[in-house]
Amino acid sequence: GIQVEQSPPDLILQEGANSTLRCNFSDSVNNLQWFHQNPWGQLINLFYIPSGTKQNGRLSATTVATERYSLLYISSSQTTDSGVYFCAVVNYGQNFVFGPGTRLSVLP
Amino acid sequence: KAGVTQTPRYLIKTRGQQVTLSCSPISGHRSVSWYQQTPGQGLQFLFEYFSETQRNKGNFPGRFSGRQFSNSRSEMNVSTLELGDSALYLCASSWGTSWGNEQFFGPGTRLTVL
Repeated sequence: GIQVEQSPPDLILQEGANSTLRCNFSDSVNNLQWFHQNPWGQLINLFYIPSGTKQNGRLSATTVATERYSLLYISSSQTTDSGVYFCAVVNYGQNFVFGPGTRLSVLP
Repeated sequence: KAGVTQTPRYLIKTRGQQVTLSCSPISGHRSVSWYQQTPGQGLQFLFEYFSETQRNKGNFPGRFSGRQFSNSRSEMNVSTLELGDSALYLCASSWGTSWGNEQFFGPGTRLTVL
């Protein structure tokens, strides 16, 4: 099955800093999503982005499907951005596979 | 539009018991997937149902089972509970199968097995 790696595993930032999270996957995919898991365990949808670039406020994401990676950019980080960020991918007929996550801590 | 709902939110059981968790998808969504999240194994796929048919199953023992009803609501059942089944169980819904549609997650059911 598809293997998913995320880097860095942990990230500590000061409020206002920018960051880039990376997701590498081992095979072609039909679907790629980025999620933010809040402290209560809820997975919040950030982007549905099997290819291309999307922006939503301070967040943006780019997936380069041919090179099998996706990037999540967080600008002007806020303490409420803290949590774990997951990417998840799936190929046709296969299971959704989650990466191990990046744990982000934004300090005031 | 209401989001994905899961009941119960918290559950405490003892080893050997069985448990049933429920998931109601977003209105109009026909696919429901289930995931188990533990600190050691991360988020792992359990199974996906689409139009009452199991489309895919993850690598879990037969003690884990599920079903989907005609209104797209889904239940998963775990029999003969083990301590290692303690986890956050998340369900997700999508309009079509997860292969080509955005998934939306519920708040989860936190199961503790004593």
